[in-house]
Amino acid sequence: DAGITQSPRYKITETGRQVTLMCHQTWSHSYMFWYRQDLGHGLRLIYYSAAADITDKGEVPDGYVVSRSKTENFPLTLESATRSQTSVYFCASSESLGQAGQTSYEQYFGPGTRLTVT
Amino acid sequence: DQQVKQNSPSLSVQEGRISILNCDYTNSMFDYFLWYKKYPAEGPTFLISISSIKDKNEDGRFTVFLNKSAKHLSLHIVPSQPGDSAVYFCAASGDNDMRFGAGTRLTVKP
Repeated sequence: DAGITQSPRYKITETGRQVTLMCHQTWSHSYMFWYRQDLGHGLRLIYYSAAADITDKGEVPDGYVVSRSKTENFPLTLESATRSQTSVYFCASSESLGQAGQTSYEQYFGPGTRLTVT
Repeated sequence: DQQVKQNSPSLSVQEGRISILNCDYTNSMFDYFLWYKKYPAEGPTFLISISSIKDKNEDGRFTVFLNKSAKHLSLHIVPSQPGDSAVYFCAASGDNDMRFGAGTRLTVKP
């Protein structure tokens, strides 16, 4: 199916464990993003990638690692999960970051992964 | 620091009336603004956007207004429908940065 998918949809893990959230898109979009959604904070950017092998930090990168060996995949790894990382994680992709004057460069979001760290 | 603020966590309107959702930003480098709509258990979906070279963009029942001097944008939904009930996120981008507001939960009552 075309689109952007995330797996797993739900995950419960223990403090200190490593966990990887997967994201896959079929549009060949250059840009991919990871956000976390927390009550009162909206969506906060964790990491983004402009192309394969190019990644950059967002607003809240601490405790997370990303890689992008292929254009279509952008996994997010919590190397040692903490309770503060309990959240809903969204992956997104877009054609570009856009410039003023462009008509649209919206991001397409996946369905989210609800992660609980106990 | 919250560079994009949606000061109303919730809004309730009657079906058929106008819904106005507000958003303020602080970073003058932001030059592109978007609104996303989110239903429970789904990812956000793009609704409408506006470039800083415009002050209004309209798409059907949805209109976004941008006041650059006030660093303020608003989303108008006319007429509001029960299916519009969702959380609406404002987003601002520019200078290789994108920030989202905390969201406003809109409830449209039949």
